[in-house]
Amino acid sequence: QQQVKQSPQSLIVQKGGISIINCAYENTAFDYFPWYQQFPGKGPALLIAIRPDVSEKKEGRFTISFNKSAKQFSLHIMDSQPGDSATYFCAASSLTNTGNQFYFGTGTSLTVIP
Amino acid sequence: DSGVTQTPKHLITATGQRVTLRCSPRSGDLSVYWYQQSLDQGLQFLIQYYNGEERAKGNILERFSAQQFPDLHSELNLSSLELGDSALYFCASTPGQRSDTQYFGPGTRLTVL
Repeated sequence: QQQVKQSPQSLIVQKGGISIINCAYENTAFDYFPWYQQFPGKGPALLIAIRPDVSEKKEGRFTISFNKSAKQFSLHIMDSQPGDSATYFCAASSLTNTGNQFYFGTGTSLTVIP
Repeated sequence: DSGVTQTPKHLITATGQRVTLRCSPRSGDLSVYWYQQSLDQGLQFLIQYYNGEERAKGNILERFSAQQFPDLHSELNLSSLELGDSALYFCASTPGQRSDTQYFGPGTRLTVL
């Protein structure tokens, strides 16, 4: 069972446009929601993250919108650039246990056309 | 560069064989996580170690095992390999056992023929 569902699987956006990737989760125990960016041949790298006590977090051109009641969160990339072309993963984690288990979405391949 | 190193970068082996993947966490990080990334299932959490002890377990097969050594490096052992085990294997590290930001290594690509 996929704990975190991500859509779309792929996305093509013109340079300067807005890229939007959506994720949904079921487990209300999750209390940390990061987004990772992965370039070919590299490991994922943390892009931005949010905790459920806020509805939005912005870092530069990247914004996470979080809807706790709907159990959904999304990544918005403003003014998308060709250098943003990568695979993006959402994830969810619970930090309240003795360990720290992360659940990842299946990824979105973003292509930004010049 | 995340500071996490993984060896080898590529590994090609045959079905039924056993392999060992190695991960060295960032300097000072005590937790190591292992993930399997395949095309159809994305990133799957396998297991977490903190300061030598197992802390969390995900969908890790019984044919797979891991350990973390006193110098904090970790090894993932995969045995009785099957074609379906072909994937990218990543490790990540964090300072504590419940830290948030994970730093991923470059991965080991395993091909089982």
